[in-house]
Amino acid sequence: DAKTTQPPSMDCAEGRAANLPCNHSTISGNEYVYWYRQIHSQGPQYIIHGLKNNETNEMASLIITEDRKSSTLILPHATLRDTAVYYCIVRASGAGSYQLTFGKGTKLSVIP
Amino acid sequence: GAVVSQHPSRVICKSGTSVKIECRSLDFQATTMFWYRQFPKKSLMLMATSNEGSKATYEQGVEKDKFLINHASLTLSTLTVTSAHPEDSSFYICSAIQAGRHSTDTQYFGPGTRLTVL
Repeated sequence: DAKTTQPPSMDCAEGRAANLPCNHSTISGNEYVYWYRQIHSQGPQYIIHGLKNNETNEMASLIITEDRKSSTLILPHATLRDTAVYYCIVRASGAGSYQLTFGKGTKLSVIP
Repeated sequence: GAVVSQHPSRVICKSGTSVKIECRSLDFQATTMFWYRQFPKKSLMLMATSNEGSKATYEQGVEKDKFLINHASLTLSTLTVTSAHPEDSSFYICSAIQAGRHSTDTQYFGPGTRLTVL
């Protein structure tokens, strides 16, 4: 699976949009971009995933560049409960490719 | 939907004893479950992959005789830490993939189990 690069930490003011970048310049054509987050002392929570097109759900939006070498996770209105470590993971689809490799992620601090 | 539970959430045991951790998919059937370990301020490390009805596949460096994994049904996998020692103290997290889906097979994670070995 392709390696990802994320900034180690970011701050965001409460109520503002949080934009978390991720670089995955070696991504292959059949690899998806997944985002998870982990709040302190809890298991990771699935947020969103995408292949080529931008995606949106009730939690966040995922913007993938046209060349697929980078992506941005957007939390439109950050709250204090969004403070967590956010992981960007690239993974191929299909049986035999289920494994997720967690990097260090980005520690997002939402500030009142 | 896609809820995964773990039991217990916290366990304290004496050195030399064995501890069993359960992972259940509550509202879906899971063909594949995973077990991770996380040390303080570190990222998750995959320990093993468990497929229902077959032997688990362990990652390099993980002792299969120490960390026994059983995936006897489509909703339950267990991790038994045998002869636990203080260095086995960690946060153990399981995840599951929903059976029968043909899209991207998203992993859903349990809340984790904090093991402390005295």
